[in-house]
Amino acid sequence: KQEVTQIPAALSVPEGENLVLNCSFTDSAIYNLQWFRQDPGKGLTSLLLIQSSQREQTSGRLNASLDKSSGRSTLYIAASQPGDSATYLCAVMGNSGYALNFGKGTSLLVTP
Amino acid sequence: GAVVSQHPSRVICKSGTSVKIECRSLDFQATTMFWYRQFPKQSLMLMATSNEGSKATYEQGVEKDKFLINHASLTLSTLTVTSAHPEDSSFYICSARRPPGSYNEQFFGPGTRLTVL
Repeated sequence: KQEVTQIPAALSVPEGENLVLNCSFTDSAIYNLQWFRQDPGKGLTSLLLIQSSQREQTSGRLNASLDKSSGRSTLYIAASQPGDSATYLCAVMGNSGYALNFGKGTSLLVTP
Repeated sequence: GAVVSQHPSRVICKSGTSVKIECRSLDFQATTMFWYRQFPKQSLMLMATSNEGSKATYEQGVEKDKFLINHASLTLSTLTVTSAHPEDSSFYICSARRPPGSYNEQFFGPGTRLTVL
């Protein structure tokens, strides 16, 4: 059974810092990996999707990398802003192309 | 494109009543939809997979008679929590998968907060 772990569970940084969120998964036979953002009491917003054959994806200040063989992904946020404060979830889709396995998330607080 | 809606966004009900939650894909047809549940400070846990025109597939430990799923059309799936109890209080989120050829990406609804008194 796929296990997805996110470290750290919580993170507080001052505005302007660059930061890295980590995600690890136990089964490297994945179809894709997605990073989501969730605001309190809200649904999920997809940030980046990396196919198993890809190494990274970039969108604005966000960059996600994938090392499938080692079972790791990182989400890099450049020049953090208070509006980035949210919970960031990592989710892995297995080779069946089926459901997503989620980590517990990293709760990020960016202070002005 | 790829917008998924849920209704209602929030519901409060008495113990023993049944609650229906709708999940709609607004601008694409979704042959497969997924229902997740999220408890406070926990991750999303898959409850069931809903396939249009066929029975839902439930994850281990999820009671199919308690959580009824109907996927009657390519744009609508419903989850009915029957005889709800306080322990069913949770945040329920659906997602819809685009047809093959679109990286199997899932798009999520805004969620439904269920509180059972």
